[in-house]
Amino acid sequence: DAGVIQSPRHEVTEMGQEVTLRCKPISGHNSLFWYRQTMMRGLELLIYFNNNVPIDDSGMPEDRFSAKMPNASFSTLKIQPSEPRDSAVYFCASRPGLATDTQYFGPGTRLTVL
Amino acid sequence: QQQVKQSPQSLIVQKGGISIINCAYENTAFDYFPWYQQFPGKGPALLIAIRPDVSEKKEGRFTISFNKSAKQFSLHIMDSQPGDSATYFCAASKETSGSRLTFGEGTQLTVNP
Repeated sequence: DAGVIQSPRHEVTEMGQEVTLRCKPISGHNSLFWYRQTMMRGLELLIYFNNNVPIDDSGMPEDRFSAKMPNASFSTLKIQPSEPRDSAVYFCASRPGLATDTQYFGPGTRLTVL
Repeated sequence: QQQVKQSPQSLIVQKGGISIINCAYENTAFDYFPWYQQFPGKGPALLIAIRPDVSEKKEGRFTISFNKSAKQFSLHIMDSQPGDSATYFCAASKETSGSRLTFGEGTQLTVNP
């Protein structure tokens, strides 16, 4: 099994630029989660999808952030325009279906906004 | 209602010692309590989980103790090893399809040789 795949693994960009993070969940998993991890705020849930439908986006910081899941095998998290305070590690995770199923995390994308 | 409080923030233990990390929750509807382990540069990975119908679950050197009346649960790592050095997150959720995990703040464990 390939596990959850995220790209890119590292991204360095300048303030004001658009950033797109990509995620391929494990095949057959019904739920997908985007998290942000920083030293100050720990692990924060940004948004999650169930069967490709956004269920809870209350963790999305502001309108600069948007997420899509056009099909069961692909999701994107976009930041436009990016700001230095967006610098963090962004994780994607997928889960087979039930809330009690294990969430499988990807390796993360380390984003640095200069 | 959705918070999970974790302590301590960091913990240093000698090799062979017992590491104990505590979590408390508020929402009595939570009925699934996993612990995740994260190594530097990696994503979190499930370590062990418990449901409230039991007070303890043990897997190797890792044990979850659960106190439903106090709304608290803890992770015990017996015979701690330097390879256990990682960040540990407790979490909680309701057993309904589509619901989310609420994570604690994390504990950075260092096991000295």
